[in-house]
Amino acid sequence: ILNVEQSPQSLHVQEGDSTNFTCSFPSSNFYALHWYRWETAKSPEALFVMTLNGDEKKKGRISATLNTKEGYSYLYIKGSQPEDSATYLCAFKDTGNQFYFGTGTSLTVIP
Amino acid sequence: EAGVAQSPRYKIIEKRQSVAFWCNPISGHATLYWYQQILGQGPKLLIQFQNNGVVDDSQLPKDRFSAERLKGVDSTLKIQPAKLEDSAVYLCASSLVHNEQFFGPGTRLTVL
Repeated sequence: ILNVEQSPQSLHVQEGDSTNFTCSFPSSNFYALHWYRWETAKSPEALFVMTLNGDEKKKGRISATLNTKEGYSYLYIKGSQPEDSATYLCAFKDTGNQFYFGTGTSLTVIP
Repeated sequence: EAGVAQSPRYKIIEKRQSVAFWCNPISGHATLYWYQQILGQGPKLLIQFQNNGVVDDSQLPKDRFSAERLKGVDSTLKIQPAKLEDSAVYLCASSLVHNEQFFGPGTRLTVL
């Protein structure tokens, strides 16, 4: 079973602050890295699917980068808003099409 | 497009009882996944179906858990008998063959 780690485990920021989280994963047998946002009482929602080393993706105020050689991905949120409060999960997909999830980063944005 | 449907949303049972969860994936999605997410941990894959065949069930506790996907559409996950440590959120997800997964809202199981 592979180890996918996310840090920090939880985070509280003020509205308007920018923030970022880390997802660490094995650098071998890499196929893709997925980011999800999971709001309480809702379904996890896909944010990004990243496959190439050096990939950078952006959706509104949220962006992500990928380094497959060293095995990490960063998720950035610019100008955090209360509606960004959620748990952010990353999932490593290996070449055998297996998904391994991290434990998530719980973000609370304080108005 | 309708999303992944799951029922029930919440279930409370006593240990040693049986329970079943239902999932209806997005129409046309060949791959279906069941995950178990225990509080404080990331989702753990229990079983993956490709159409009505099992692709991976290596982490399914087969002495008490079973799952089926008859006709390659809906799926049910059963626990018999339940233990305290089975308390978790059970997530169902579906995808086109090897693409992005779409999740249902989950079933929160509490075993007393």
